[in-house]
Amino acid sequence: EVQLVQSGAEVKKPGESLKISCKGSGYSFTSYWIGWVRQMPGKGLEWMGIIYPGDSDTRYSPSFQGQVTISADKSISTAYLQWSSLKASDTAMYYCARLIAELEPGDYWGQGTLVTVSS
Amino acid sequence: QSVLTQPPSVSGAPGQRVTISCTGSSSNIGAGYDVHWYQQLPGTAPKLLIYGNSNRPSGVPDRFSGSKSGTSASLAITGLQAEDEADYYCQSYDSSLSDNWVFGGGTKLTVL
Repeated sequence: EVQLVQSGAEVKKPGESLKISCKGSGYSFTSYWIGWVRQMPGKGLEWMGIIYPGDSDTRYSPSFQGQVTISADKSISTAYLQWSSLKASDTAMYYCARLIAELEPGDYWGQGTLVTVSS
Repeated sequence: QSVLTQPPSVSGAPGQRVTISCTGSSSNIGAGYDVHWYQQLPGTAPKLLIYGNSNRPSGVPDRFSGSKSGTSASLAITGLQAEDEADYYCQSYDSSLSDNWVFGGGTKLTVL
């Protein structure tokens, strides 16, 4: 069974760093892309970027380029999304999703990680 | 302002048919890129509902169907059920924005 399991909710202060994770199982982790999607409170979905764990090829949506870093450790089938300096506006639910190919949809999704940034 | 435009809300009575539109442009849907649809039930992660314009993943009832024409796409739901009440999002790819995957703004379906 394909599963993407994300790390738990986080509460952080502005300026702090954070790395959340998405662990894949039940499929060949290195043969599919992993994408990250942001959903701000009460708002819609936004693609942040995608990574191919097989060779760490990474693409960012222009809105998120330079704001976050997407990475993966194929030895433990885990993808990451990290911030070096959080802002209150980073408060959102973050989802990871598996993509068969770069232009294909997310066919399996993680349960989401809620990130709250507040002083 | 989303690159793909959806109506904010639609509604229908149980058993009825509703459609949700997704309007794009010549740099996304009109350029031939596929449209995908997701269903997001309250408090849950999105679920893939339709891929490649009109294909249903295994397990999705045939009450859900998708179509695409020109610069627009549509999701149709027939035999509306209370459990269909959710947010629906279309998604495609836009070649005018460097490597950008785009979503519609989402449509809230209310079952009356």
